[in-house]
Amino acid sequence: DAKTTQPTSMDCAEGRAANLPCNHSTISGNEYVYWYRQIHSQGPQYIIHGLKNNETNEMASLIITEDRKSSTLILPHATLRDTAVYYCIAAYGGSQGNLIFGKGTKLSVKP
Amino acid sequence: DSGVTQTPKHLITATGQRVTLRCSPRSGDLSVYWYQQSLDQGLQFLIQYYNGEERAKGNILERFSAQQFPDLHSELNLSSLELGDSALYFCASSVGLLGGSMIEQYFGPGTRLTVT
Repeated sequence: DAKTTQPTSMDCAEGRAANLPCNHSTISGNEYVYWYRQIHSQGPQYIIHGLKNNETNEMASLIITEDRKSSTLILPHATLRDTAVYYCIAAYGGSQGNLIFGKGTKLSVKP
Repeated sequence: DSGVTQTPKHLITATGQRVTLRCSPRSGDLSVYWYQQSLDQGLQFLIQYYNGEERAKGNILERFSAQQFPDLHSELNLSSLELGDSALYFCASSVGLLGGSMIEQYFGPGTRLTVT
């Protein structure tokens, strides 16, 4: 699986958009980009995933660059409950669904 | 609530002992994954089962073993416990339909194991 690089930490004001970047310059053509988050020792929570096209769901939007070497997770209106560690993972979608979690980005949403 | 249940929530035991952690996947999910999260190692994939069969292995010690039963629940057995085995153990499940992505994993609340 391709390695991803994320900033260690980020701050965001409550109500503003949180934009979390991820670099995955060695991603292969059939690897997806997945985002998960973990709120203080709870089980990680799936957020969104994409292959080439931008994706949006009720939680977030995922913007993937055309060359697929980087992506950005956007939380459109961050709340205090979005404070968590966010993990960007590049992985094959297939029968062996192993997720390799890095250190992620600690997002702190402040009032 | 992800729909994945894990028992027990907390477990305190002594070095050298053996424990069993239990996981019930979401209804309809065929795949179960086990992860270990310790302070210094982060979240590490241990092992995956799909419909009762072992599918993938990660950084799982030989002292650890797992199985998935016909009703699809899974157990992780940890034996000859050491202080360093103290960690959060998470179970996750996914649908695992043929041809479908199995990376949308839904995690349980975890079992916190403390070895003293």
